[in-house]
Amino acid sequence: QKEVEQNSGPLSVPEGAIASLNCTYSDRGSQSFFWYRQYSGKSPELIMFIYSNGDKEDGRFTAQLNKASQYVSLLIRDSQPSDSATYLCAVNAGGTSYGKLTFGQGTILTVHP
Amino acid sequence: DAGVTQSPTHLIKTRGQQVTLRCSPKSGHDTVSWYQQALGQGPQFIFQYYEEEERQRGNFPDRFSGHQFPNYSSELNVNALLLGDSALYLCASSLIAGFYEQYFGPGTRLTVT
Repeated sequence: QKEVEQNSGPLSVPEGAIASLNCTYSDRGSQSFFWYRQYSGKSPELIMFIYSNGDKEDGRFTAQLNKASQYVSLLIRDSQPSDSATYLCAVNAGGTSYGKLTFGQGTILTVHP
Repeated sequence: DAGVTQSPTHLIKTRGQQVTLRCSPKSGHDTVSWYQQALGQGPQFIFQYYEEEERQRGNFPDRFSGHQFPNYSSELNVNALLLGDSALYLCASSLIAGFYEQYFGPGTRLTVT
């Protein structure tokens, strides 16, 4: 089992729709969780982080965390063509590995006009 | 506020050669992590430096080494380059305290021929 798994893509949604990106992780001691956006040929850009159960909203983005289910998700409301990118889920492990980010393989999102 | 900077942007080396990549962290940050990202994959953690010492290390051979300087900048050295070392090398900076939000630099694209 991979340490961090993301829903397989690519994911295609129409402009204005809600895009839902999902991620599961295996280490129950994980402390904090991050979503990065990566445009083709560019480096990852941090868009959201969350560390307690529940929802965290920032503009059109909502991160959701359920530690009991070891599940974290990212919702993008009113999706725009400029949101088309690869979205990477990253998990900050606990214990002696605290500070090491483990990434999923990424989900490619395409928002079509 | 200066973000994370990396140099060089691109590099082409021959098998067996050695390479040094450089990183300056975001202003106010004290921790530097290095990641390797192969095409189509999520970044893989190489190691992390804090207070000029290697704090954590991922599953990379000893050919990969690093250094952190008193001004928090860092270098990644790779010896005896292999074709499989061709990748995007990413530097991320963060604060040792808190939830470890890591901010990436633009990366160095290394091609080994």
